[in-house]
Amino acid sequence: QKEVEQDPGPLSVPEGAIVSLNCTYSNSAFQYFMWYRQYSRKGPELLMYTYSSGNKEDGRFTAQVDKSSKYISLFIRDSQPSDSATYLCAMSESGGSNYKLTFGKGTLLTVNP
Amino acid sequence: DAGITQSPRHKVTETGTPVTLRCHQTENHRYMYWYRQDPGHGLRLIHYSYGVKDTDKGEVSDGYSVSRSKTEDFLLTLESATSSQTSVYFCAIEGSGTDTQYFGPGTRLTVL
Repeated sequence: QKEVEQDPGPLSVPEGAIVSLNCTYSNSAFQYFMWYRQYSRKGPELLMYTYSSGNKEDGRFTAQVDKSSKYISLFIRDSQPSDSATYLCAMSESGGSNYKLTFGKGTLLTVNP
Repeated sequence: DAGITQSPRHKVTETGTPVTLRCHQTENHRYMYWYRQDPGHGLRLIHYSYGVKDTDKGEVSDGYSVSRSKTEDFLLTLESATSSQTSVYFCAIEGSGTDTQYFGPGTRLTVL
């Protein structure tokens, strides 16, 4: 079993839709959870960062972590064509000297005008 | 921007030739990373550095070496490039006080 599983999509939605992106993981030691957005031919850009379980909201984006289910989600409200990108989840075990991240393979999202 | 530059941004080379990719940061961060990104595999860690002259292997380190003689520069070398090393290479630095990383713009390498 892969440490982090992410549906690669592609996912195509109309403008204004609510988008739900998800990752599951197997390593119960993961405590830090991130979502990156990657536009075509660009580097990944950190979008959301959460520690442990719970929700975090930033504008149209909400990140949820359910450690009991080993499941994380990213919700995008009122999706825009500019949200079209690949979304990567990432996670790590602990702070301090261990900065190694484990990534999902990414979900390709297209928002159609 | 996270203050990371990569050079070159694009390179085409032939099998068997040596290639060096450079990552430069202006943030004075201790940790730096090299990843490769391939369709179907996502981002995979090649090597990372936790200080000047301090480096360690990642999950796909075979065929690659790294060096870090200054805090701001982290070099990735392919001693003898192979077609399987055709990929997009990303450098990353640690996020300040968090368990995150910030990525550079990438180098697209083609080995013919």
